[in-house]
Amino acid sequence: NAGVMQNPRHLVRRRGQEARLRCSPMKGHSHVYWYRQLPEEGLKFMVYLQKENIIDESGMPKERFSAEFPKEGPSILRIQQVVRGDSAAYFCASSAQPLSIRRSSEQYFGPGTRLTVT
Amino acid sequence: TQLLEQSPQFLSIQEGENLTVYCNSSSVFSSLQWYRQEPGEGPVLLVTVVTGGEVKKLKRLTFQFGDARKDSSLHITAAQPGDTGLYLCAGARDNYGQNFVFGPGTRLSVLP
Repeated sequence: NAGVMQNPRHLVRRRGQEARLRCSPMKGHSHVYWYRQLPEEGLKFMVYLQKENIIDESGMPKERFSAEFPKEGPSILRIQQVVRGDSAAYFCASSAQPLSIRRSSEQYFGPGTRLTVT
Repeated sequence: TQLLEQSPQFLSIQEGENLTVYCNSSSVFSSLQWYRQEPGEGPVLLVTVVTGGEVKKLKRLTFQFGDARKDSSLHITAAQPGDTGLYLCAGARDNYGQNFVFGPGTRLSVLP
């Protein structure tokens, strides 16, 4: 029973290039969350998606960042025209149901993609 | 903006010692979670606390949610090197807990 998978694990991009981060949720999970973690900081929520729909993107920067979770295939976090400040670890998590304290559901995290912008 | 603070930021102790780390906020959270994250990996959920004053035990770990649901503590008894890691607390912003506010973490090192 594979957990949440993310690839690549490490990604190096030059300023101005595009970065594509992939996340395959756990089997049977249709809810995906993306977080960003800077050194010595906690995780910052970016976006919550359910198959083919963006449910909450309140944590996403307004420009250059986009996310999708198509009917088939992994969820993709796309960063266009990367800048040095985008360097961080990006984590994806998935859950079987929407997170709710009433349902005792939980999110499972992937190992992350470490993006370095040179 | 709901912010979570964690203290201490770093903690280095000897195997067998006891320790407590704290998670504090000026805001009320509907629920609070504790995670442990090891280098190069994603966070792993340890516990969720929902009710003010709630205490949960997980082997040598004891978690407490403050009465006002603004703070929480994690106490580890007889720490072991395997407890080494980054301990993150996360508060749910609403009753549905769809997204969480994470604290910056306490980095614990248990020396053999």
